Amino acid sequence: EAQVTQNPRYLITVTGKKLTVTCSQNMNHEYMSWYRQDPGLGLRQIYYSMNVEVTDKGDVPEGYKVSRKEKRNFPLILESPSPNQTSLYFCASSHTPTLAGGPRETQYFGPGTRLLVL
Amino acid sequence: AQKITQTQPGMFVQEKEAVTLDCTYDTSDPSYGLFWYKQPSSGEMIFLIYQGSYDQQNATEGRYSLNFQKARKSANLVISASQLGDSAMYFCAMREGRTGNQFYFGTGTSLTVIP
Repeated sequence: EAQVTQNPRYLITVTGKKLTVTCSQNMNHEYMSWYRQDPGLGLRQIYYSMNVEVTDKGDVPEGYKVSRKEKRNFPLILESPSPNQTSLYFCASSHTPTLAGGPRETQYFGPGTRLLVL
Repeated sequence: AQKITQTQPGMFVQEKEAVTLDCTYDTSDPSYGLFWYKQPSSGEMIFLIYQGSYDQQNATEGRYSLNFQKARKSANLVISASQLGDSAMYFCAMREGRTGNQFYFGTGTSLTVIP
């Protein structure tokens, strides 16, 4: 089954304790991305990756790190979490966006990770 | 400026009626893609429909259609014959063709279908 998986699904942590949220896809997608969803703000892109070893900042990268060492995996790292990073996080993947566009660039989302930072 | 604007925080519709969810976008790029996603209360994001800026016809997928008005920069989602299972948050999103890399989402519209 084609899917994007995230772990953990739920996480409660304390300020300053490093954590990693894993993301894996089995669709051989080049493009992967992390979003956070907050009430009234919709989804905001944190980081994205066009391919292995290629990552770039989205709109809200502060306080986050990512790495893309393998095509299928794109972990999100919070080195020193703070309460304002309490949110619902989504990982997504798609084929490489191109100038021509098209439905192939539709992103498929993981189930989400609910993070609470105390 | 916001790339994607959804001005309806909440909408109600009677079961079996049609409903239109508004989305306007802001871009100077001639090549872009527009997407609609549904998020039920369970939280997952479900892709509904795609419209490319060069597509000649409005996109349709089953009961979903996209009313694409390029000159007005609007991409409204029309859901026909609403069902109780359509109650959810709906998000409009865009990718600009030339920069190519970022996706922009609106703040969403919460749709409630009334029996």
